[in-house]
Amino acid sequence: EAGVTQSPTHLIKTRGQQATLRCSPISGHTSVYWYQQALGLGLQFLLWYDEGEERNRGNFPPRFSGRQFPNYSSELNVNALELEDSALYLCASIRGASTTGELFFGEGSRLTVL
Amino acid sequence: EDQVTQSPEALRLQEGESSSLNCSYTVSGLRGLFWYRQDPGKGPEFLFTLYSAGEEKEKERLKATLTKKESFLHITAPKPEDSATYLCAPEGHDKIIFGKGTRLHILP
Repeated sequence: EAGVTQSPTHLIKTRGQQATLRCSPISGHTSVYWYQQALGLGLQFLLWYDEGEERNRGNFPPRFSGRQFPNYSSELNVNALELEDSALYLCASIRGASTTGELFFGEGSRLTVL
Repeated sequence: EDQVTQSPEALRLQEGESSSLNCSYTVSGLRGLFWYRQDPGKGPEFLFTLYSAGEEKEKERLKATLTKKESFLHITAPKPEDSATYLCAPEGHDKIIFGKGTRLHILP
């Protein structure tokens, strides 16, 4: 069974540009979480999608947005990039909106903003 | 506001020296609490889920316990390969939040 896959693995952008990160959940998983892991800050909750709907978002500005597609894959968009957006962006999937087991993580997309 | 605090931030142990990691949380509508292990540059790897106070789970040298306000990850006779960052993540009714983790280093 394929795990959670994220692309790209690495992305380098300059300030003011836009970044798009993608996530494919494990087959059968309908819920996708996005987290930002900046150096020294731990995993910060960004967004939660389930069955195509945004269920909740963390304390991030509106320039962080995303969506979930009918096949349950998801996309995270970051507009007007700032230097402090440099981080590892982790996607995780889980079966259904109610927790019945583990959150499976991908290996992350490392975004560097110059 | 939901919060989770892990302590200590970092811990260095000799191989075979047992210890415990702490996770204190304030979460409304707690559904469960996860423990993860994260190696540098990789995504977190699932270890345990605990659902109710008093519950314990074990895996090799690790044992996780849960109370109403805290969870502990006990490491018995650790080996160098147990070196990693250990993350605690309580799940509330509307999100799963993570602590900053404890960086564990086991010296041979």
